[in-house]
Order: sequence, then structure tokens, then C-alpha cells
Amino acid sequence: GAGVSQSPSNKVTEKGKDVELRCDPISGHTALYWYRQSLGQGLEFLIYFQGNSAPDKSGLPSDRFSAERTGGSVSTLTIQRTQQEDSAVYLCASSLGTGLNTEAFFGQGTRLTVV
Amino acid sequence: TQLLEQSPQFLSIQEGENLTVYCNSSSVFSSLQWYRQEPGEGPVLLVTVVTGGEVKKLKRLTFQFGDARKDSSLHITAAQPGDTGLYLCGTNNQGGKLIFGQGTELSVKP
Repeated sequence: GAGVSQSPSNKVTEKGKDVELRCDPISGHTALYWYRQSLGQGLEFLIYFQGNSAPDKSGLPSDRFSAERTGGSVSTLTIQRTQQEDSAVYLCASSLGTGLNTEAFFGQGTRLTVV
Repeated sequence: TQLLEQSPQFLSIQEGENLTVYCNSSSVFSSLQWYRQEPGEGPVLLVTVVTGGEVKKLKRLTFQFGDARKDSSLHITAAQPGDTGLYLCGTNNQGGKLIFGQGTELSVKP
């Protein structure tokens, strides 16, 4: 596609429910990143994929968070048993590779609100 | 762990003023990127600096990479309301993990 697409753009869920956030990267981009951003804050690294594998999952806050990527393309971030502290904007980015000068292209994010 | 510290965290200025924001680390960067994020949007790359001492200019924005490649600065001349946004520095470590500082929230008032 023309850019990184994330869905849904907004999600309101009840505490304890599971949610799935989707990211469609730019076609041909092998690297895909997930970040969490609280209001007015920077980007908290969650996980990144190189192809379908995730070399670094160190940023996942707890075992309630998981992510997968299939076919080297679409990625899904799943949050189980959501808590109010999970409320944030979840941003996805993709890049052609993971080289030092590689530009990351971001989606517009999914705003998650846990009530 | 390569931690990026940005300062100031918040900056509110009048149109026409100059400003500088900083990005520092105790580690040496292989390269460093600056992004700008507007409300409701994802960050967009402004520049990548690679060489120690490097200076890059983008219109009224001047980016500098420290000689030791442990710090960087972004200077904006004659700020305009359109410069308002969150400025983030980021770096891609050898493992490919792209990490960011906590950002500088800039507000330029007319």
C-alpha cells in the first residue's frame, strides 16, 4: 500500500477483554516495529520483526502482550485481559531493513481506551 | 542499554524566537535520527546524521551530531506555529532495534 495502515483507529474496550490491533506495513518492507505512546510521551519500544521472526521482544510489558507477523507482511498485536494502564496509542512502523540509515514509516496509530 | 535523554521535555515559545533541543546518551551512536510528530499522526523522519561533527540543514532547522557521536542537537531559527509538534530522536542499534527518546513537546504561539 501507499503507507503503513493500522486498524482500528480507535478502540474502546472493557477491562478484562482481549483486543487485537492490526498493522499493514508498506509492501516490501521487511522490518516492522510496534510502539506504545502515552499522552504527550515518547515512544516505548514493544517488539520488532525482521521478516516473520521477532529478534527482540524485550519491550513487551507483560505476558498479556503478544505479537505475530505472517507472510512477512501483516502483524497483529494482541493484548489479553486488558487493564486500564494499557490505555495508550499503539504505533506501528515499517522499514526496508534495519540498517543504520533506514527510515521508519509510521502508521497513524490505534488509540486504545480501556474502561 | 542505549538510553536516549532529550531536553527540554516541554518548550513553549513565541513565533519568531529561536530554540534548541538536545538528545544525549552515555553510549556512542552509530547514527541518529530526528523525527517530528504532529497530533493524531505518526512520527515523520526529518534527518539522519551519521558522522561525528556532522551538521545538516533543513530550511530553518539545523541538526548537529556531536564529535564523539554521543549527543545531537536540533536548532530551529525563527520558529513558526507550523513547527509545533513532538520532536523525537531515535537510533537503530546493531540488533536493528529502533529506540527513541522521550521527546520534546514544542508549542509555538502566534
